[in-house]
Amino acid sequence: GESVGLHLPTLSVQEGDNSIINCAYSNSASDYFIWYKQESGKGPQFIIDIRSNMDKRQGQRVTVLLNKTVKHLSLQIAATQPGDSAVYFCAEKVSGNTGKLIFGQGTTLQVKP
Amino acid sequence: EAGVVQSPRYKIIEKKQPVAFWCNPISGHNTLYWYRQNLGQGPELLIRYENEEAVDDSQLPKDRFSAERLKGVDSTLKIQPAELGDSAVYLCASSPRTGPSPGYGYTFGSGTRLTVV
Repeated sequence: GESVGLHLPTLSVQEGDNSIINCAYSNSASDYFIWYKQESGKGPQFIIDIRSNMDKRQGQRVTVLLNKTVKHLSLQIAATQPGDSAVYFCAEKVSGNTGKLIFGQGTTLQVKP
Repeated sequence: EAGVVQSPRYKIIEKKQPVAFWCNPISGHNTLYWYRQNLGQGPELLIRYENEEAVDDSQLPKDRFSAERLKGVDSTLKIQPAELGDSAVYLCASSPRTGPSPGYGYTFGSGTRLTVV
C-alpha cells in the first residue's frame, strides 16, 4: 500500500535523548492502533494504543501521535534508556474486522550509553 | 498471572519432517491467535480461534498446516511436511474476547523458533 511516513529500519539515539519512531499504516478504515516492543527472543509486548477518534495519547514516558490524513503513526519515547533497546512495531486493526492486527515494518531502536 | 506459554522454544528439523507447536493461553481468554514472524518482519496472522472454533483461517496454508484447539483452551499448530520456507518464529497470542482489548491489546507468548534444514 501507499507509504507516506518516514520509516527508518534502525534508529540510534543517545541515552537520555528523546526517540521518535514512525510508522505508515495501510488502511484508511483502520480504527485502532497499537505499538509493540519486541526484545530479542521474546514475543511482542504491548506499549500503548490509540483509537482513530484521537490524535494523541500519552503513557509513562511514551506518547503516540496519529495523523489520519496521511495515515501516519508515531511513537515518542522520552529520556530513552538502554532498556528501551528493542524492535518496535506498529499494528492496525481495520474497522469491522473482528480481531486481525496488521503489523507494520519494525524499527530497531539502539540506545547508546 | 501466568502469561501465554508456548513450547518448545526452539525446534530444528529436516525438511519434509512434521513438527508441532503448543500454546497455553492466559486463563479465561476465549480468543487465541497463531501468528508467524519471518526474520526482520512483523507478525502475520495464520489463524484465530473463538473458543474451540476456528473463525479466521484464511491465511493458513491448508495443504501443510493444521491447527486445533480442543476444549477451547490449549492449541496446537502442526506443519506436515515442513519446507525450508517455513523457518520462522511462530507466535501465539490470546485476548479475553474478539479483538484487541483497549489498553491491553493481545498478550503474546515468547514464540517457537523453527529452523528447517
